[in-house]
Amino acid sequence: EVQLVESGGGLVQPGGSLRLSCAASGFIFTDYWMHWVRQAPGKGLMWVSRVTNDETTNDASSITYADSVKGRFTISRDNTKNMLYLQMNSLRADDTAVYYCARGLATAMGAFDVWGQGTVVTVSS
Amino acid sequence: DIVMTQSPDSLAVSLGERATINCKSSQSLLYSSNNKNYLVWYQQRPGQPPKLLIYWASTRQSGVPDRFSGSGSGTDFTLTISSLQAEDVAVYYCQQHYSTPQTFGQGTKVEIK
Repeated sequence: EVQLVESGGGLVQPGGSLRLSCAASGFIFTDYWMHWVRQAPGKGLMWVSRVTNDETTNDASSITYADSVKGRFTISRDNTKNMLYLQMNSLRADDTAVYYCARGLATAMGAFDVWGQGTVVTVSS
Repeated sequence: DIVMTQSPDSLAVSLGERATINCKSSQSLLYSSNNKNYLVWYQQRPGQPPKLLIYWASTRQSGVPDRFSGSGSGTDFTLTISSLQAEDVAVYYCQQHYSTPQTFGQGTKVEIK
């Protein structure tokens, strides 16, 4: 079964850090781009970041971020462990959201065909 | 960034009736080199992650019932549910992946009348 399972969410104070993890199973992880998408409480969806499946390239285009998280969040993947990560630093109240790990569709990598159940991040003092 | 605008924000449809959701992008999503529209539709039921319904504006994802269909090109797109079922109560989002950042519409809530 194709599956994505997020972990690492929680309550953190403004300015703090969290590291989210996403465990992938049931598919060849190295064949796919991977993304993080978030959803603030009662709001719509917002794409956060993506990493391509080519871990060997140093091309900056292999990793991209939404402007609102650029310089604060870092996406990475460990293809030996089938894991995706999101390191979140300098967290703000408006980062409060459910964070979803999502797989890029094979024929259209900017679309998302598999989603995890999400992990909740709450930034509050 | 490409702005995606859905209409209406919500609609109530009787069981078995047609539901139509519109999505308009601030610039064309048609890529000339492959003649594909970089437009996707998702369904999000309460308490669930989104589910991919349609990609390339009109290609149904595997396992999606054929009462769901997508149409349109360029900047104007439509998701149609031909005969609304109780399990279709959800929020529907369009998304463009023509350029980064990928952006979503604000969502359309579909309810039973």
